[in-house]
Amino acid sequence: NFMLTQPHSVSESPGKTVTISCTGSSGSIASNYVQWYQQRPGSAPTTVIYEDNQRPSGVPDRFSGSIDSSSNSASLTISGLKTEDEADYYCQSYDSSTWVFGGGTKLTVL
Amino acid sequence: EVQLVESGGGLVQPGGSLRLSCAASGFTFSSYWMHWVRQAPGKGLVWVSRINSDGSSTSYADSVKGRFTISRDNAKNTLYLQMNSLRAEDTAVYYCARERNWGQGTLVTVSS
Repeated sequence: NFMLTQPHSVSESPGKTVTISCTGSSGSIASNYVQWYQQRPGSAPTTVIYEDNQRPSGVPDRFSGSIDSSSNSASLTISGLKTEDEADYYCQSYDSSTWVFGGGTKLTVL
Repeated sequence: EVQLVESGGGLVQPGGSLRLSCAASGFTFSSYWMHWVRQAPGKGLVWVSRINSDGSSTSYADSVKGRFTISRDNAKNTLYLQMNSLRAEDTAVYYCARERNWGQGTLVTVSS
């Protein structure tokens, strides 16, 4: 079964840039789209990146997504960090017609 | 505006049943595959089930296969999850979702 692996946690200071990785277990991560979800405590997930690198309306351009085929990984980069970006972030892709999630990364902005 | 509103959660005893509903609005419900995703307390997101746009094809996580049934009523713009033989490990917030949109979730607690 296809799996996605994320770092458990990352931390960075306000105003800095952070990148969260999401590594596929097999095959090519570039074969299917990757989405990224933000989940603040006590709230439902919201989409910050879809189809690898697309931002929904209302998501600031400080959020960007990319794919690196050489490392079979996707990345979420957040620049100009704000305290409001502190949240859990999940990557999601596909295995056949099912969704596969990474384990989530807790971003601390300190 | 896309809206997904779940309902039907609550406290149920082990071995019991519950049916979750998800009312959809703001988009052409009958055109979209829909999913259920759950999140146990303090844990990550786990995909549970999906159904295609006309309800003719479904898929389930191994952990719920044979116990949960996903269905939809396109005339009512509503997605369902029938949960039988519930276990303590099914305790979670259940979200309905489509590509890019999530509901607010409904809490299911399985406990005696």
